[in-house]
Amino acid sequence: AQTVTQSQPEMSVQEAETVTLSCTYDTSENNYYLFWYKQPPSRQMILVIRQEAYKQQNATENRFSVNFQKAAKSFSLKISDSQLGDTAMYFCAFMKYSGYSTLTFGKGTMLLVSP
Amino acid sequence: GAGVSQSPSNKVTEKGKDVELRCDPISGHTALYWYRQSLGQGLEFLIYFQGNSAPDKSGLPSDRFSAERTGGSVSTLTIQRTQQEDSAVYLCASSLEARFGDTQYFGPGTRLTVL
Repeated sequence: AQTVTQSQPEMSVQEAETVTLSCTYDTSENNYYLFWYKQPPSRQMILVIRQEAYKQQNATENRFSVNFQKAAKSFSLKISDSQLGDTAMYFCAFMKYSGYSTLTFGKGTMLLVSP
Repeated sequence: GAGVSQSPSNKVTEKGKDVELRCDPISGHTALYWYRQSLGQGLEFLIYFQGNSAPDKSGLPSDRFSAERTGGSVSTLTIQRTQQEDSAVYLCASSLEARFGDTQYFGPGTRLTVL
């Protein structure tokens, strides 16, 4: 079974600064996808960024980028130029394929961006 | 286009009552997923639909939980004889298909409170 660990229950950052959220996972699969989702107080889970395991190049989406270390089974999210609207719970998720795709989530990191 | 919608947004019920939670996926999405998010926990997979059939019900926590999907669109999650431990946010997600890597798009969830 896959497990996803987010070791930081809460993090704080000031506006315009950079913050990195950690995620590690455990799997015996060789190919899989990794995702970061954001859940603001509205509860709507929003996809932030995704990475396919066989792609070595780290994914980037505007201010969001990942540091994917496959051997270390690590998938951290870096948020640059933090904005107040980035305040949310962030979930790391692992997708494997077994006839269909399922997501396994970590317990989340609450990020608070302050002025 | 419209995203995944869920109703009701909030539901308060008494222990022992039955509840129905509804999910309306993105138009054209054939795969639909239900997850449960309990306080302090990550997201827990409940059930997956491909079209109207549910190949994987392994996440349903007990036989009090059931789900159906009709017309390849709307899905209903039913909890019979609710218990206090059923209190959680129930999230629905849909994807174009269930292919490896297909992104799951989430609805805003239904917060269920069992008194």
